[in-house]
Amino acid sequence: DTGVSQDPRHKITKRGQNVTFRCDPISEHNRLYWYRQTLGQGPEFLTYFQNEAQLEKSRLLSDRFSAERPKGSFSTLEIQRTEQGDSAMYLCASTPPTGLIHEQYFGPGTRLTVT
Amino acid sequence: AQSVTQLGSHVSVSEGALVLLRCNYSSSVPPYLFWYVQYPNQGLQLLLKYTSAATLVKGINGFEAEFKKSETSFHLTKPSAHMSDAAEYFCAVSLSSNTGKLIFGQGTTLQVKP
Repeated sequence: DTGVSQDPRHKITKRGQNVTFRCDPISEHNRLYWYRQTLGQGPEFLTYFQNEAQLEKSRLLSDRFSAERPKGSFSTLEIQRTEQGDSAMYLCASTPPTGLIHEQYFGPGTRLTVT
Repeated sequence: AQSVTQLGSHVSVSEGALVLLRCNYSSSVPPYLFWYVQYPNQGLQLLLKYTSAATLVKGINGFEAEFKKSETSFHLTKPSAHMSDAAEYFCAVSLSSNTGKLIFGQGTTLQVKP
């Protein structure tokens, strides 16, 4: 396993711009999660995919946020019209189809800074 | 609703001393419980997990945690701290019946002094 990968690792953008992050889960992992972590806090759940279906979204995921997982492989998280409050680390995690679904493997994260 | 409380945002110990990081949870049904570690600029790594089997759970790097239902606690311990243990530690809870999403505590930063 090469692990969960995320791209880019860092993103600096100006307020009002759109940004898109990518997550590549571990091969054969059918469940994929997005979390947001602000400074000094624990990660907060954003959304969850099983294969290509988005099955749960947090209230934190405003209409400026959209996530996709075409073909049940990689996933993208897009933030439109970024705000300074969107500055955070965005973490992706995946789990395999068998075994404990709650045991999640995390990627290194994408750190977003909105200026 | 589930929640996790980690007592103490910062814990400082001397190298070789006992490490104790506290975690209390609230859940209306039996939960799954986890401890994750996060090193600077890295993602989270699973240390150990409780899944309703043995109440004393052993994890990686010499860490262990004990599930105490009566106290709704899942404290993390290590008998002897190493400098390499300095990191941020997160306790997390998940219901056995849901999608697997994790609810995290706010984290505890462990400092290890030489």
